Amino acid sequence: SQQGEEDPQALSIQEGENATMNCSYKTSINNLQWYRQNSGRGLVHLILIRSNEREKHSGRLRVTLDTSKKSSSLLITASRAADTASYFCATDAGGTSYGKLTFGQGTILTVHP
Amino acid sequence: EAQVTQNPRYLITVTGKKLTVTCSQNMNHEYMSWYRQDPGLGLRQIYYSMNVEVTDKGDVPEGYKVSRKEKRNFPLILESPSPNQTSLYFCASSFGGLPETQYFGPGTRLLVL
Repeated sequence: SQQGEEDPQALSIQEGENATMNCSYKTSINNLQWYRQNSGRGLVHLILIRSNEREKHSGRLRVTLDTSKKSSSLLITASRAADTASYFCATDAGGTSYGKLTFGQGTILTVHP
Repeated sequence: EAQVTQNPRYLITVTGKKLTVTCSQNMNHEYMSWYRQDPGLGLRQIYYSMNVEVTDKGDVPEGYKVSRKEKRNFPLILESPSPNQTSLYFCASSFGGLPETQYFGPGTRLLVL
């Protein structure tokens, strides 16, 4: 079963607006990562947040992690047309799943100029 | 330039004809992994390797084989491809023996007739 599930599946916004994507997972994790994929290309790592962290920033990106709710959110502020892509969360559960990485199904973000 | 390369990028083959997709990284990364991406299913991990001669199954290993004889290479072998292995395949690598901050290859699009 999918460890990470993103919500919404698709998001359409205007340039300059903020975009928020959510990820829920089922089991405890070591860390959670967010990746971006442009139209069938390889994924690009955006940010990693560890299970003992609650919030992390990188440029226009803000990630939060709530381990009690088993959820994370990715906020992109002041979006640009170039942010149009699919965004995936990925969880590293550790333990007996040491080395495994499980991706969600992704959120398709469209930013209109 | 730091990169993960995959070959071939596109491949059309027939059921039962053995094939190998190569993956090579020039970053001296310990961790390497293979994923397949199918519409609506996100990325699913096939096999991963935390170092030379250490490989383990991901979530969808059936029908695939891997080997890790050298640190830089991690080939994916389909001994007897079937149409349900038609997919977009990605190789990825990361520093240390963990799937953190992975670098992805450009992808291999495989069609099995």
